[in-house]
Amino acid sequence: DTAVSQTPKYLVTQMGNDKSIKCEQNLGHDTMYWYKQDSKKFLKIMFSYNNKELIINETVPNRFSPKSPDKAHLNLHINSLELGDSAVYFCASSLLTDRGEQYFGPGTRLTVT
Amino acid sequence: QKEVEQDPGPLSVPEGAIVSLNCTYSNSAFQYFMWYRQYSRKGPELLMYTYSSGNKEDGRFTAQVDKSSKYISLFIRDSQPSDSATYLCAKPSTLGRLYFGRGTQLTVWP
Repeated sequence: DTAVSQTPKYLVTQMGNDKSIKCEQNLGHDTMYWYKQDSKKFLKIMFSYNNKELIINETVPNRFSPKSPDKAHLNLHINSLELGDSAVYFCASSLLTDRGEQYFGPGTRLTVT
Repeated sequence: QKEVEQDPGPLSVPEGAIVSLNCTYSNSAFQYFMWYRQYSRKGPELLMYTYSSGNKEDGRFTAQVDKSSKYISLFIRDSQPSDSATYLCAKPSTLGRLYFGRGTQLTVWP
């Protein structure tokens, strides 16, 4: 059983398009996260939801909009894609917000051309 | 100053070597630390989690924390080719934020 899953695994699209990435966890966790890993492998938090409520919104362009329909799902919609958005986006989840034991999905490799 | 700084590597060692991976941190709040391992084209997986100063051992892996110098280390004994991966240290902050080091890419050659 996959604990944290993401779709799609790969996404290639042109500048200016709008795209979405979906994440699901079956661990029963209350908190979910989006991270971005750039070409130099630096992993940086973008957003966090606890039980469908947004609790972390880092300095991210407002072209990025997360949505959590329920506590097992977290989606990321990106408008007007730019070249600099090319990265690997990871979803993660944790049982408790402040315990740090986060479990990551396999990642979505986004390439903007 | 970044929350967590990590030796960039890359590191290449022969099978059986002892590997030492190191990070420093700046903020003394939230005194627990994590090491994640990331294989190529995969998501990071939690390898070790340590709360306090001193050593924590798990098989061939030992995590060490020195709070006085704000230094965290991961030692791998009897390294194997299957240990080849990127190792990321991480430190939590408010609201569940995890701050990661840049990662050290390790290659263990047979």
